[in-house]
Amino acid sequence: KQEVTQIPAALSVPEGENLVLNCSFTDSAIYNLQWFRQDPGKGLTSLLLIQSSQREQTSGRLNASLDKSSGRSTLYIAASQPGDSATYLCAVKNTGNQFYFGTGTSLTVIP
Amino acid sequence: DAGITQSPRHKVTETGTPVTLRCHQTENHRYMYWYRQDPGHGLRLIHYSYGVKDTDKGEVSDGYSVSRSKTEDFLLTLESATSSQTSVYFCAISTGTLQSTEAFFGQGTRLTVV
Repeated sequence: KQEVTQIPAALSVPEGENLVLNCSFTDSAIYNLQWFRQDPGKGLTSLLLIQSSQREQTSGRLNASLDKSSGRSTLYIAASQPGDSATYLCAVKNTGNQFYFGTGTSLTVIP
Repeated sequence: DAGITQSPRHKVTETGTPVTLRCHQTENHRYMYWYRQDPGHGLRLIHYSYGVKDTDKGEVSDGYSVSRSKTEDFLLTLESATSSQTSVYFCAISTGTLQSTEAFFGQGTRLTVV
């Protein structure tokens, strides 16, 4: 069974800092990896999708990378802002019909 | 939001009563999912559907049943609610195929079993 881990569980940074969130998975036979943002009491918002044949995807200040062979992905957030404060989750899609989620990293950006 | 609506958004119910949560989508996607989210456990798959009347179990399906009689609606039923089923329930759909498969989520239903 696919296991997805996100470290750290919580992160607090001052505004303006660049930061990296980590996601690791045990089974490298994935179709893709997706990063989500979740605000308190809300649903998950898709941020980036990296297909297994890709190495990275970028959207604005966000850059996600994927190293499938080592079972790792990182989400880089540049010039963090207080509005970036949220929980960030990663999910992998295997060859079956399921998505497997990490438990998330809770990010606080301090003004 | 990929046209996903969950109802109700909040519900308090008593132990032993049946509860049905509804997920409605507007874009006729084939795959629909029900997850529960609990502190320390992340999102765990309860059931999913790959078409009308086609469903399968996820990792935490005990105590839950689902039905999909129309493409746009996926119902989750707690047959006899227990306190351990207090959770936030999310419906999701997936678009695309193979590597381009992408998941989108509803806003969630907060269920409290007392």
